[in-house]
Amino acid sequence: DTAVSQTPKYLVTQMGNDKSIKCEQNLGHDTMYWYKQDSKKFLKIMFSYNNKELIINETVPNRFSPKSPDKAHLNLHINSLELGDSAVYFCASSQPGTSRTEAFFGQGTRLTVV
Amino acid sequence: GNSVTQMEGPVTLSEEAFLTINCTYTATGYPSLFWYVQYPGEGLQLLLKATKADDKGSNKGFEATYRKETTSFHLEKGSVQVSDSAVYFCALSQYGNKLVFGAGTILRVKS
Repeated sequence: DTAVSQTPKYLVTQMGNDKSIKCEQNLGHDTMYWYKQDSKKFLKIMFSYNNKELIINETVPNRFSPKSPDKAHLNLHINSLELGDSAVYFCASSQPGTSRTEAFFGQGTRLTVV
Repeated sequence: GNSVTQMEGPVTLSEEAFLTINCTYTATGYPSLFWYVQYPGEGLQLLLKATKADDKGSNKGFEATYRKETTSFHLEKGSVQVSDSAVYFCALSQYGNKLVFGAGTILRVKS
């Protein structure tokens, strides 16, 4: 069973379009995240949700809107896509406050905006 | 704010060579420290972790020791294999919250 799964794995779209990336975790974790990995492999937090509540929003443009229908899902919707949005987006989950503080990551979604 | 600095790559080694990837951090309090690995075309996998000073994390022949006095968490392996070729990320978190990553170090191992 895949612990953190995200779809699609690849997404190629034109500038100006709206797209969504879905993420689901079956680990029973309370906290989920979106990270962005740029072309130089640098990873940065975008959002964090704890039990469906937004905890972290790291100066991400308003075109990015996360949605958490329940604590096992955290989707990312992106409006009016721009060339600079091209990156790999990783979903992750963790359970803070326990001995196992590490985050578990999905396989990533490679977004290419043309 | 918290930050992680790790040595720039790429690091190119021959098979069976000794590996060290340096990592230092800046944080208030006592963060948990991690090494994640990203194989080509894949997501991030936890390689090892340490949650308090002097802890040693180890996995698959890799080791790292949490050194509070030097704020370091250097990754070492005694004998690398071609299959170890990947990108290695040092990271920290506090209270199990968001991870702060270093810039990543590309490791290439030649046969």
